[in-house]
Amino acid sequence: QSVLTQPPSMSGAPGQRVTISCTGSNSNIGARYDVHWYQQLPGTAPKLLIYGNNNRPSGVPDRFSGSKSGNTASLTISGLQAEDEADYYCCSYVGSTTYVFGTGTKVTAL
Amino acid sequence: QVQLVQSGAEVKKPGSAVKVSCKASGGTFSGYPISWVRQAPGQGLEWMGGIIPIFGTLKYAQKFQGRVTIAADESTTTAYMELSSLRSADTAVYYCARARQQYDFWSGYESWGQGTLVTVSS
Repeated sequence: QSVLTQPPSMSGAPGQRVTISCTGSNSNIGARYDVHWYQQLPGTAPKLLIYGNNNRPSGVPDRFSGSKSGNTASLTISGLQAEDEADYYCCSYVGSTTYVFGTGTKVTAL
Repeated sequence: QVQLVQSGAEVKKPGSAVKVSCKASGGTFSGYPISWVRQAPGQGLEWMGGIIPIFGTLKYAQKFQGRVTIAADESTTTAYMELSSLRSADTAVYYCARARQQYDFWSGYESWGQGTLVTVSS
């Protein structure tokens, strides 16, 4: 079981705003460690979507944004599109030389 | 943009070992951490460990300590992951990934290999 908890699934109509939470604790997200987000389309390798809590790599659409508050990080898709249907994972260093992925969230466009 | 190309699928017997390679091209190799992440069928992502090739600095997830060996060859810009004492629960797709920043394991992984399916079956 991961120490970073995400909702198993979320859905929204095209154009809707979807926010995925990633809940940790005072010893990981609530500490100084950055949170990153990955998108994994079916049958493909993960893709870095957000790094350092709220930064987008070059080429990632600006409808994707990240934030962090207290022990929770969030990924927001502003204006869901059909091609955003994928699994999303948060990730963070959690101490003791351990890098942990969240439990993952499957996003469906209705 | 660096490209990572992994070795092909493997079928292994329980108790044996598997070695997966990851060749980098098109970018700087030595200072960027390479990590290995696996994904069992229908499951989430799991970080196994990584290496900074230029220093040989290694980090392993506690779960895999003693069973996984990660190495890198700067001359061929290739990283390797060997997992021993295989069991059926090790059946998974194994990915290599390169960190976004030099010398920083925890900066996020921007380049990924295509994945290598390892099947452990008697």
